[in-house]
Amino acid sequence: KNEVEQSPQNLTAQEGEFITINCSYSVGISALHWLQQHPGGGIVSLFMLSSGKKKHGRLIATINIQEKHSSLHITASHPRDSAVYICAVKAAGNKLTFGGGTRVLVKP
Amino acid sequence: GAGVSQSPRYKVAKRGQDVALRCDPISGHVSLFWYQQALGQGPEFLTYFQNEAQLDKSGLPSDRFFAERPEGSVSTLKIQRTQQEDSAVYLCASSLLGVGEKLFFGSGTQLSVL
Repeated sequence: KNEVEQSPQNLTAQEGEFITINCSYSVGISALHWLQQHPGGGIVSLFMLSSGKKKHGRLIATINIQEKHSSLHITASHPRDSAVYICAVKAAGNKLTFGGGTRVLVKP
Repeated sequence: GAGVSQSPRYKVAKRGQDVALRCDPISGHVSLFWYQQALGQGPEFLTYFQNEAQLDKSGLPSDRFFAERPEGSVSTLKIQRTQQEDSAVYLCASSLLGVGEKLFFGSGTQLSVL
């Protein structure tokens, strides 16, 4: 079993829909990152969380440390949100463990 | 620089050839990370530098992989005697201090070994 599991693996939404991506992990962590990767492009850091909730524009990230679970929400989704969203956790040391990513396609 | 810069963007190598991949982190960033991303998968940790010191190289898949950051800024990932299974995107990231902070990623080097 991977240490970091994301669901769903793939998600298709219509423009304007609310999107939720989930990340579950099996180890104790001190920080969790949500990252966005566009096809052929580099990775952009969206959020870094250690507790609670963060919001940036139409993106909201939450984390429940006790349940070892985090969610990334996209409100009023837009075709430009189409990308792969990756969850990564920091356990011991300076190593990040990544989930396999969720491929999001938002149709106009 | 304005961001993390990696070169080359694409590299095609014949099996057995040596390759060198370069990463220019954001100026002043102490931490530098190398990751390997196979097609359709999430990145996997290779190695970590704090300034010029390589503090963790536990993710390097074999002794054919070698990384250095001699002056605490630019880093080079070298792969000797490349194999087909080395084909992947190699990503570099930097942060001001460590992974408890925001990471800045380069666009990656896509390595194809034929």
